[in-house]
Amino acid sequence: ETGVTQTPRHLVMGMTNKKSLKCEQHLGHNAMYWYKQSAKKPLELMFVYNFKEQTENNSVPSRFSPECPNSSHLFLHLHTLQPEDSALYLCASSQGRGPGEQYFGPGTRLTVT
Amino acid sequence: QKEVEQDPGPLSVPEGAIVSLNCTYSNSAFQYFMWYRQYSRKGPELLMYTYSSGNKEDGRFTAQVDKSSKYISLFIRDSQPSDSATYLCAMRGQGGKLIFGQGTELSVKP
Repeated sequence: ETGVTQTPRHLVMGMTNKKSLKCEQHLGHNAMYWYKQSAKKPLELMFVYNFKEQTENNSVPSRFSPECPNSSHLFLHLHTLQPEDSALYLCASSQGRGPGEQYFGPGTRLTVT
Repeated sequence: QKEVEQDPGPLSVPEGAIVSLNCTYSNSAFQYFMWYRQYSRKGPELLMYTYSSGNKEDGRFTAQVDKSSKYISLFIRDSQPSDSATYLCAMRGQGGKLIFGQGTELSVKP
């Protein structure tokens, strides 16, 4: 186990639903990230939080709304998604925003119908 | 032009073969280079981490960075079926975000 957990592991939702993804890290890190992984495409960075403050929003549509209540927990709130949002959503954490290693969770496989 | 180019494969080799995985990049500011391994239905796990040019070895794995050619490689010696996974290269500059390659799908046949 990498010390980063994500729930749920699988999620199927309709375009009008509202759901949330949860990430928790047990590594004592202070930076957390959301990535989107689509088939045959590189990982796309979505959001970065450092000490609970959002430091990067990579032009992500407003139907994705992140929340970081503390350095150990990160949420991604989803509403009115589109079928093209179906992907694997990965959470990662690291010690600071420097060149240190990022540790990934197992991901949430999201399908939008 | 993509910042990081990686052949998506799939690459299929027999058990025991030497595997060479490669990435090219365009940003000369990149200084930190990583290889991640991702098994099916799992998140990526860090395999190798190197700074600047040179080689780094860890067991059957060797990472090479050639900054003059903007080219990085991961070699796997005596490949095993358990090495079957997708391998992602990633890199960043000082303070920059991590940029990933597309990933190469590797299959090692017994």
